[in-house]
Amino acid sequence: EAGVTQFPSHSVIEKGQTVTLRCDPISGHDNLYWYRRVMGKEIKFLLHFVKESKQDESGMPNNRFLAERTGGTYSTLKVQPAELEDSGVYFCASSQIGLGGNTIYFGEGSWLTVV
Amino acid sequence: DAKTTQPTSMDCAEGRAANLPCNHSTISGNEYVYWYRQIHSQGPQYIIHGLKNNETNEMASLIITEDRKSSTLILPHATLRDTAVYYCIVRVGNTGGFKTIFGAGTRLFVKA
Repeated sequence: EAGVTQFPSHSVIEKGQTVTLRCDPISGHDNLYWYRRVMGKEIKFLLHFVKESKQDESGMPNNRFLAERTGGTYSTLKVQPAELEDSGVYFCASSQIGLGGNTIYFGEGSWLTVV
Repeated sequence: DAKTTQPTSMDCAEGRAANLPCNHSTISGNEYVYWYRQIHSQGPQYIIHGLKNNETNEMASLIITEDRKSSTLILPHATLRDTAVYYCIVRVGNTGGFKTIFGAGTRLFVKA
């Protein structure tokens, strides 16, 4: 079974440009999360989808970030316009609702460098 | 989600057991204890989780104290590839998706 996949794995863009990150969750997982880790800091929660609905977007830093999950399958995270402080690694994770806990599985991350 | 306290770093000799402690004194009755690790710059990797009973899987064992205020992750035979940052997280997780709050974790160094 395929895990959480993210694309691109690495991206270098100039300040002011736009970048769109994509996440394909594990098949059948209704919950999808975005996190990010900027240099030297802890992993921070950004937002959580349940199917196509945003359940919690309290971690989104500002309105330059837009996350979508049309159809409740894959998700995109767009940064427009990108700023230098947006550099870091963006992780996507997914989980399925069920008893006995709710294990979240992470992708390998999308590295973003804004220059 | 309850807050956890972990040592900043630990060393372990290769082949020996690595015991990573975690304090979660404010844990609620419906909160699970989860352990993840991050090897270098890879995505966080799920290790194990439990509610109140001790758990074991192919990667590790989880020992939870009777009062559930602390737990220990045990890697029975640590290898160099187990060098990573280990995160102890407590969260409600039995009925839906909840955000996982990462702290600073414990940086485990496994030495030859």
